[in-house]
Amino acid sequence: DTEVTQTPKHLVMGMTNKKSLKCEQHMGHRAMYWYKQKAKKPPELMFVYSYEKLSINESVPSRFSPECPNSSLLNLHLHALQPEDSALYLCASSQDGTDDTQYFGPGTRLTVL
Amino acid sequence: AQKVTQAQTEISVVEKEDVTLDCVYETRDTTYYLFWYKQPPSGELVFLIRRNSFDEQNEISGRYSWNFQKSTSSFNFTITASQVVDSAVYFCALTRGSTLGRLYFGRGTQLTVWP
Repeated sequence: DTEVTQTPKHLVMGMTNKKSLKCEQHMGHRAMYWYKQKAKKPPELMFVYSYEKLSINESVPSRFSPECPNSSLLNLHLHALQPEDSALYLCASSQDGTDDTQYFGPGTRLTVL
Repeated sequence: AQKVTQAQTEISVVEKEDVTLDCVYETRDTTYYLFWYKQPPSGELVFLIRRNSFDEQNEISGRYSWNFQKSTSSFNFTITASQVVDSAVYFCALTRGSTLGRLYFGRGTQLTVWP
């Protein structure tokens, strides 16, 4: 059983909508990650939070806005997305964000119409 | 620069066959970590194994085994007596020692096990 949960599992939104993806981990980890994965491709790193501070932003467009309210929660706010943003969005967590193992959630399948 | 190569894009086997998934990596670091993840059709990446660069011992876990060879920069994964439930995309990945957040993934190998 995964200890990283993500909601919703599926999301369909229009280009003018505002929505949020949520991620929660119950392992006491201090690092959390957002990845984007297109079909038949490996996951691409978007953001890393370490001890609730944004540590890495992989030049992600501003229509994606991450938020880490506390060490267990990670949100990804979406606004004015494009159809090419349709993908599987994966959240992961790890002990402290250095060379430790990342554990992934089940993902949110996002479709932008 | 870090790079992970999984040359096999797709593999198909029949149940009970053994199958080996290849992974070759490139790094100039002396300390690094190698991983294998499984991604079934549901989408979640399931962690399988982590190996550090100083530990070349092979590992066996049930039907799974891993062969780490620094001399050839390879970290291959063998499934013995494959089952239909093994059908998934398998990713090999590398992270540098003490470097925040960076998992360098290979392109993945789609394994299909037919009954």
